[in-house]
Amino acid sequence: GAGVSQSPSNKVTEKGKDVELRCDPISGHTALYWYRQSLGQGLEFLIYFQGNSAPDKSGLPSDRFSAERTGGSVSTLTIQRTQQEDSAVYLCASSRGGQGRQPQHFGDGTRLSIL
Amino acid sequence: KNQVEQSPQSLIILEGKNCTLQCNYTVSPFSNLRWYKQDTGRGPVSLTIMTFSENTKSNGRYTATLDADTKQSSLHITASQLSDSASYICVVSPDNSGGYQKVTFGTGTKLQVIP
Repeated sequence: GAGVSQSPSNKVTEKGKDVELRCDPISGHTALYWYRQSLGQGLEFLIYFQGNSAPDKSGLPSDRFSAERTGGSVSTLTIQRTQQEDSAVYLCASSRGGQGRQPQHFGDGTRLSIL
Repeated sequence: KNQVEQSPQSLIILEGKNCTLQCNYTVSPFSNLRWYKQDTGRGPVSLTIMTFSENTKSNGRYTATLDADTKQSSLHITASQLSDSASYICVVSPDNSGGYQKVTFGTGTKLQVIP
């Protein structure tokens, strides 16, 4: 498809396990963003990629969170030793550039539930 | 600190009625303001974008206004439909003359249109 694709759409796991979330951005979009959205809350910025580099990691809440992007395309967000407070919807977005002039196109998110 | 505040937090209206959602921001310098619609379980989708020099922008039954002097924007929905039920998010981009700058998201207004 032409949109941003995220997988899995839902993930349920036990506390303490590691999880890996995947984002396939729109082809040609150099900028990629990860956000977290807790129930009834606004979007919380996690990390921004321009190409394969991450000039802004300021939103990652702890060292249990990491992300990488390879080939300027697919990105994975990894959460190690998950905690119950990690339960949220994780949204990925991509845009043509990172300067805010272009709209961010969002995927439908991965709903993560930590038991 | 850049902030975007939206009101009301939630709103219930009858199908066919009009409504107006508000967004106040403190982002400065300012580049553009965007309204997104987020259906339940989906990612946000861009509705309108306005730059500093624009006062109004329409997209079908959605009309956004911007007053850059008072740092206020509104989203007016005309002749509401059941499919308008969603969260509406105001997003402000700072001036990007220095390159990448993080956008600021409001917490959204949850609109419910009832028959």
